[in-house]
Amino acid sequence: DAGVTQSPTHLIKTRGQHVTLRCSPISGHKSVSWYQQVLGQGPQFIFQYYEKEERGRGNFPDRFSARQFPNYSSELNVNALLLGDSALYLCASSSSGLVNEQFFGPGTRLTVL
Amino acid sequence: GQNIDQPTEMTATEGAIVQINCTYQTSGFNGLFWYQQHAGEAPTFLSYNVLDGLEEKGRFSSFLSRSKGYSYLLLKELQMKDSASYLCAVSLDSNYQLIWGAGTKLIIKP
Repeated sequence: DAGVTQSPTHLIKTRGQHVTLRCSPISGHKSVSWYQQVLGQGPQFIFQYYEKEERGRGNFPDRFSARQFPNYSSELNVNALLLGDSALYLCASSSSGLVNEQFFGPGTRLTVL
Repeated sequence: GQNIDQPTEMTATEGAIVQINCTYQTSGFNGLFWYQQHAGEAPTFLSYNVLDGLEEKGRFSSFLSRSKGYSYLLLKELQMKDSASYLCAVSLDSNYQLIWGAGTKLIIKP
């Protein structure tokens, strides 16, 4: 079985642009969580979606939004990019949303110039 | 607020034992995780402690004291491939959100 997949692997954008990151969970998993990891720091929780509804949101500005599709894949959108948005964006999937059973994807490395 | 503290960096010798400490102060607690992360890669799960005590899994062991807000990860018979960052993370009461420490970079020398 395929694990969690994310696309693209790497991405370079300029300030002010918009970006969309994609995540496909493990087959059968209904929950997707998004994390931002700035270099040298631990991941920061952004969102969790379960059964296409937002279950939780971290302390991120409204420029960050996400959604989950009927097939449980998810998109993370970031508008008006800032230099500080440069980070590794991690997606994790689980069957029920509980963190003790989540699996991480390889991440998308976003660089904002 | 939520606070998780770990040493920034540690150095150890191949074949030796190293203990990485983690202290936490969080608004709730449902369990403590340890993850390993190689540079540029996603975190991989190592251990999960809910109750006080020591959990042993091969060369890796993890200890938790809930009353002290303290955990450690013990790595035995260190190998060069153990060079990585080790992240401590706490699950809050809701159990769907993890609060992470900044990670401890472990450098293994021959």
